[in-house]
Amino acid sequence: NAGVTQTPKFQVLKTGQSMTLQCAQDMNHEYMSWYRQDPGMGLRLIHYSVGAGITDQGEVPNGYNVSRSTTEDFPLRLLSAAPSQTSVYFCASRGTGGQNTQYFGPGTRLTVL
Amino acid sequence: GDSVTQMEGPVTLSEEAFLTINCTYTATGYPSLFWYVQYPGEGLQLLLKATKADDKGSNKGFEATYRKETTSFHLEKGSVQVSDSAVYFCALSPRWNQFYFGTGTSLTVIP
Repeated sequence: NAGVTQTPKFQVLKTGQSMTLQCAQDMNHEYMSWYRQDPGMGLRLIHYSVGAGITDQGEVPNGYNVSRSTTEDFPLRLLSAAPSQTSVYFCASRGTGGQNTQYFGPGTRLTVL
Repeated sequence: GDSVTQMEGPVTLSEEAFLTINCTYTATGYPSLFWYVQYPGEGLQLLLKATKADDKGSNKGFEATYRKETTSFHLEKGSVQVSDSAVYFCALSPRWNQFYFGTGTSLTVIP
């Protein structure tokens, strides 16, 4: 049971490039989400999904796309990277039961030059 | 709206000192409350949680009690160690599909 996995761990992009951050979970969780973590701002929700085929925007969705074709995978796409997207990105998942504990991946550190 | 306010950092303590990190919340109903810890270079890990009023969450010597009357969930540890140096996040979940984090409090414990 690997929990929540993310790839890559580190990435450097040039302004305007596109890329996809991968996230997978093996806990059969319905809810998955993407956060970005910036100094002094805590974690901010980018997008989330409550199940396969269903996604919605969080607090800071601009510049990012997501899709959820399977329960296990929830990739985050940067369409045209900007320096303001330099951040650490965390994927998380949780079940829909009453305990609702959220489990986090190890993070992807992205630098946009 | 629902939100979490936690104590500003950074906090620096000597080993074996007492730790308190304050966390207060605003929410309707009966949210679940969490403390997460983030060690350098790693993701967030659940430290403890409480799902109803007066519940006490505890783990690794840390404790926090869900106080509905004061809308608080303060994190405490009686004797910190160097290995407790990390960033601590208070979090609130008012409904299963909603989760709000505080801004984090950095703790450094010096020998």
